[in-house]
Amino acid sequence: SQQGEEDPQALSIQEGENATMNCSYKTSINNLQWYRQNSGRGLVHLILIRSNEREKHSGRLRVTLDTSKKSSSLLITASRAADTASYFCAGLPSDSWGKLQFGAGTQVVVTP
Amino acid sequence: ETGVTQSPTHLIKTRGQQVTLRCSSQSGHNTVSWYQQALGQGPQFIFQYYREEENGRGNFPPRFSGLQFPNYSSELNVNALELDDSALYLCASSLGGGGLTDTQYFGPGTRLTVL
Repeated sequence: SQQGEEDPQALSIQEGENATMNCSYKTSINNLQWYRQNSGRGLVHLILIRSNEREKHSGRLRVTLDTSKKSSSLLITASRAADTASYFCAGLPSDSWGKLQFGAGTQVVVTP
Repeated sequence: ETGVTQSPTHLIKTRGQQVTLRCSSQSGHNTVSWYQQALGQGPQFIFQYYREEENGRGNFPPRFSGLQFPNYSSELNVNALELDDSALYLCASSLGGGGLTDTQYFGPGTRLTVL
């Protein structure tokens, strides 16, 4: 069973629009990582936010973390067709050495 | 490019057979983790190896076993294959430690189909 949940499950937008997806997790974490996956291939690491951080930016990506609500959000600004992929959040629990806990993912489709 | 490689890319086996999947971690990474990803779901943690010792396991039966070697390569072995073992198997390497900045870098995966 999944340890986290992403919302929405699927998102369809046009190029140039922003894409926002949310993630909730269940246990106390040391960090939360976002990954992208294209067509059932390997996961590409996008960004890591530590448990003592509230917001982080990397290029067109903006991640927030609210540890009191056990939730995170990923914003992709000015989306491109190449951003079409599944996006997963994964929490690194503070009591479980190295065992990433993934949600079920958000499938994003960006149309030209 | 994460520097993590996996082989083979695809594999087809029949029920009851045994399979070995291989992974080569980034140089310098002492930790390798294996995940199973069923279609339409997020990856599920199988186990983790640190310096050739298993140091964490998810809810997988003992017929899932692993090895890690000093040259940053590792194996996932699955005995007595079942239909439900059909999935994408991912390995991830990291420096380990589970700390605030511990990041796992994934390979491209091996797609296993059990008939």
